[in-house]
Amino acid sequence: DGGITQSPKYLFRKEGQNVTLSCEQNLNHDAMYWYRQDPGQGLRLIYYSQIVNDFQKGDIAEGYSVSREKKESFPLTVTSAQKNPTAFYLCASSIGGGAPYEQYFGPGTRLTVT
Amino acid sequence: AQSVTQLDSHVSVSEGTPVLLRCNYSSSYSPSLFWYVQHPNKGLQLLLKYTSAATLVKGINGFEAEFKKSETSFHLTKPSAHMSDAAEYFCVVSEKAGGTSYGKLTFGQGTILTVHP
Repeated sequence: DGGITQSPKYLFRKEGQNVTLSCEQNLNHDAMYWYRQDPGQGLRLIYYSQIVNDFQKGDIAEGYSVSREKKESFPLTVTSAQKNPTAFYLCASSIGGGAPYEQYFGPGTRLTVT
Repeated sequence: AQSVTQLDSHVSVSEGTPVLLRCNYSSSYSPSLFWYVQHPNKGLQLLLKYTSAATLVKGINGFEAEFKKSETSFHLTKPSAHMSDAAEYFCVVSEKAGGTSYGKLTFGQGTILTVHP
């Protein structure tokens, strides 16, 4: 059964701690993405990767970091430099990144930082 | 540059009545357009997409949308609402990318659909 998994579903952290969100896909997609969702603001792109070992900043990359060592995996680290990290984080993938292919989304991780 | 405006932040309908969710877009080039649906605390699911073929696009669960270039609109409709349609809906635009350029998706702010019994 192909799809995208994100873990954990809910994550709680203290302010000042780095936290890593997991994203795995078994769709054999080349491109992967991380979005942040806040109420009433739609989705905003944090980072994207079109191929293994390569990634680019999106619109709101400050305070976040990513890696893409395997095609299936695209973890996102929320660092202590991110000023407002509490949000719903969505990972997505698509066949490729060079055309407007539809993106397939994971179930999301809700991060709460106190 | 591309942008999307969803004209209503909330829409409320009764079960069995038609649904209309409005979306206007701005794009420098020939766009691709999508509608996604999101149920509470879930990921987004693709409802339908327009990629310069037929202007009337049929999607899942009885939804359809019509691309109107002259009006720069891509409104989502359904003839008869069901309770399970209650969710948030996102209109999304993407310009065709060239070479290795990334075909960025731009999301609207979302429309929350409420369905009353």
